[in-house]
Amino acid sequence: GAGVSQTPSNKVTEKGKYVELRCDPISGHTALYWYRQSLGQGPEFLIYFQGTGAADDSGLPNDRFFAVRPEGSVSTLKIQRTERGDSAVYLCASSLWAPRLAGGGDEQFFGPGTRLTVL
Amino acid sequence: GENVEQHPSTLSVQEGDSAVIKCTYSDSASNYFPWYKQELGKGPQLIIDIRSNVGEKKDQRIAVTLNKTAKHFSLHITETQPEDSAVYFCAASGGYQKVTFGTGTKLQVIP
Repeated sequence: GAGVSQTPSNKVTEKGKYVELRCDPISGHTALYWYRQSLGQGPEFLIYFQGTGAADDSGLPNDRFFAVRPEGSVSTLKIQRTERGDSAVYLCASSLWAPRLAGGGDEQFFGPGTRLTVL
Repeated sequence: GENVEQHPSTLSVQEGDSAVIKCTYSDSASNYFPWYKQELGKGPQLIIDIRSNVGEKKDQRIAVTLNKTAKHFSLHITETQPEDSAVYFCAASGGYQKVTFGTGTKLQVIP
């Protein structure tokens, strides 16, 4: 079946502009995550949705970043007043959420990412 | 919060040799440890994971070990092949879904 898809694959914008990045999770996956990956680094957690609600947004760097998932499926990451330091690959992942398993955690399936460049 | 350290940052091996990547974590509450492989221009892909109630897990040429006392976990790839060349990430998670990644190991398998 289809995996996680993200659009656009590349986005170039100017400093100060507003951008939206879209994520389509795997059908039936109730959990959705956003990560940011800078060059040569591991993905850095931004926010996690369980259904429509943000269960954990502790990774959002500041109030310029906001994410929504209004119908519990597609999610949009929104960045206001972009800065050059926002340039990175933004990754989305989804998973089947299960009540806490013995030993915890379940597999997250990642999309290909959106490469954001702020000039 | 959780902190995951990963070594080495780069690793070159001859085809057929073994590769070992080591990670440490800081939060004793972490209980889920996935390993991801990331190829250029793609998102990370889970290759194997281990939970805190297990000390070792093997899947064909890949094995992971976990030492909860020492907060260490390792990835072992045997009989390496050129297609194993990629960046590998270890990660740790504590019961709910937030995952903390290591900084990655770039593995190069030389034919």
